[in-house]
Amino acid sequence: DVKVTQSSRYLVKRTGEKVFLECVQDMDHENMFWYRQDPGLGLRLIYFSYDVKMKEKGDIPEGYSVSREKKERFSLILESASTNQTSMYLCASTPIGGGETQYFGPGTRLLVL
Amino acid sequence: QKEVEQNSGPLSVPEGAIASLNCTYSDRGSQSFFWYRQYSGKSPELIMSIYSNGDKEDGRFTAQLNKASQYVSLLIRDSQPSDSATYLCAVTMDSSYKLIFGSGTRLLVRP
Repeated sequence: DVKVTQSSRYLVKRTGEKVFLECVQDMDHENMFWYRQDPGLGLRLIYFSYDVKMKEKGDIPEGYSVSREKKERFSLILESASTNQTSMYLCASTPIGGGETQYFGPGTRLLVL
Repeated sequence: QKEVEQNSGPLSVPEGAIASLNCTYSDRGSQSFFWYRQYSGKSPELIMSIYSNGDKEDGRFTAQLNKASQYVSLLIRDSQPSDSATYLCAVTMDSSYKLIFGSGTRLLVRP
């Protein structure tokens, strides 16, 4: 069974803190994605990775960075958290090739105070 | 202009009725089309994918794709209260594996 896990379901951080969100998939998928979801805006792509140590910016990369040291793990880093980064963060993965189903993790709801 | 558009709803239908959800997209090069269901507080889960013009049926769900008119729809027959959720339309552009999501349509099925 397909499994994507995220390190935390809920997280509360202070403005200016460095925040790490971790995502792990056990399906040997090449592609991994980080989205944020906000009411009325749908899912917006922050970063994605199609291989270990490879990354590409999505539509809203400002204020974020990512790390992919191992195939199964994709980390999202908020270098200096701000209140406008309060959101639901969703990780997803998909095997190589276009048009494939993306499998989502349970999400992390981040509140930045 | 948004690349993938959906009516935000809520779309309210009585139990047992057909719910019709619509989605339009802007890029004629789009190749793959997906419908995800998202319950409140949960992550999206795939319910249908469609790649060629026409209808694709899976149980109570039918996806319809019309590339000439650039729309994709989802029909839910015999709607149940458990179908109440937000339905997200997603599209891949060209041969990319990047998904572009619409903002979702909230469906409410009244008992």
